[in-house]
Amino acid sequence: QVQLQESGPGLVKPSETLSLTCTVSGGSMNSQYWSWIRQPPGKGLEWIGYIFYSGSTNYNPSLKRRVRISVDTSKKQFSLKLSSVTAADSAVYYCAKLLTYGSGSNYNEAFDIWGQGTMVTVS
Amino acid sequence: QSVLTQPPSVSGAPGQRVTISCTGSSSNIGAGYDVHWYQQLPGTAPKLLIFGTTSRPSGVPDRFSGSKSGTSASLAITGLQAEDEADYYCQSFDSSLSTSVFGGGTKLTVL
Repeated sequence: QVQLQESGPGLVKPSETLSLTCTVSGGSMNSQYWSWIRQPPGKGLEWIGYIFYSGSTNYNPSLKRRVRISVDTSKKQFSLKLSSVTAADSAVYYCAKLLTYGSGSNYNEAFDIWGQGTMVTVS
Repeated sequence: QSVLTQPPSVSGAPGQRVTISCTGSSSNIGAGYDVHWYQQLPGTAPKLLIFGTTSRPSGVPDRFSGSKSGTSASLAITGLQAEDEADYYCQSFDSSLSTSVFGGGTKLTVL
């Protein structure tokens, strides 16, 4: 069973770049999509973006200008970089495996495996 | 505000049945995309509860069920138990945004 574990600094200064890594264990990264999702304290979930194992990406339009997701399949890791952070970026950041099925108008996607999450405070 | 709309809170007594609604639009639920539900117990990561609108992943009790009609979906929980107290989120794909979208979440309180 695939397991995910986030790692990275818990405190980032305003205007700097937030960097997190998700390590995949118990399975292959091949042919899979890998996502980042965040949750500000006391608030709901916000999808940040995803990366396919081959490197293609898709980002939330509201964050696209500041986000970059990369993958290193040899290390079984994928990473998130969010630049020019402010206090509004303080949140629990989750990595998740994205399950996709269907195509065209029947395309669907769901987040079937989640990491435990890591709190990042911008201050 | 979230693309999918959920009630902020619902409550019920042990043993009762509760439903949580998730209202979308013609570019997501109404377009025929599946709805997925997640359960987030206090202090933990979300867990996939209902997949593909009506299916339960292995290990999820059959007290949980999902349905969809038009631009809305619902999560029903029967035989409510204290351990069901959690936040519940719906999620679907939006063709206008070409991204996944979440509901704002619903806090279930077991009285």
